[in-house]
Amino acid sequence: EDKVVQSPLSLVVHEGDTVTLNCSYEVTNFRSLLWYKQEKKAPTFLFMLTSSGIEKKSGRLSSILDKKELFSILNITATQTGDSAIYLCAVEARGNEKLTFGTGTRLTIIP
Amino acid sequence: NAGVTQTPKFQVLKTGQSMTLQCAQDMNHNSMYWYRQDPGMGLRLIYYSASEGTTDKGEVPNGYNVSRLNKREFSLRLESAAPSQTSVYFCASSEGGEGQPQHFGDGTRLSIL
Repeated sequence: EDKVVQSPLSLVVHEGDTVTLNCSYEVTNFRSLLWYKQEKKAPTFLFMLTSSGIEKKSGRLSSILDKKELFSILNITATQTGDSAIYLCAVEARGNEKLTFGTGTRLTIIP
Repeated sequence: NAGVTQTPKFQVLKTGQSMTLQCAQDMNHNSMYWYRQDPGMGLRLIYYSASEGTTDKGEVPNGYNVSRLNKREFSLRLESAAPSQTSVYFCASSEGGEGQPQHFGDGTRLSIL
């Protein structure tokens, strides 16, 4: 059974800090790993990672995948209150469109 | 720029009542999905449809039925609601095939008393 574990479960930091969110996984025949941001409603897509060691970047957010050690990290630099959200990690297996999600990390940014 | 639209946004049911949650997407996506999200459990797949006319079970299908009415619409039905089905339900869609991210609706918060 595919499995995704995220850590920490929750994190509270001050505005301007840098945070690192972790995602480890076990999946048969790995295809991709995805990060989503969930504020009050719909999860919104951030990144999809398929290759090891290649960083994906969007503004202050970046993510990298390690397929050997089976984990990914999501970094957020110079955090802002708008970064407060639940960050979800999911994995996709080859031959299968289904995603397996972790339970998420709840990030709170204090002004 | 609607994307994925879910109705209703909130609903309260009594145990044993039936209800259909509606989902429509305007992105011409082939695949559609229904998830439930419970505290501490993450998003769990209930059913999905890889194309019009096909549906498959996900991780937690018991107590639910689905209908892929056409390419745009994918509905989720609770025939006899139970308190354990109290949850937030999300519909998602994607172009289909591997490597295509799923895009989510805003969810339906369902409470069953």
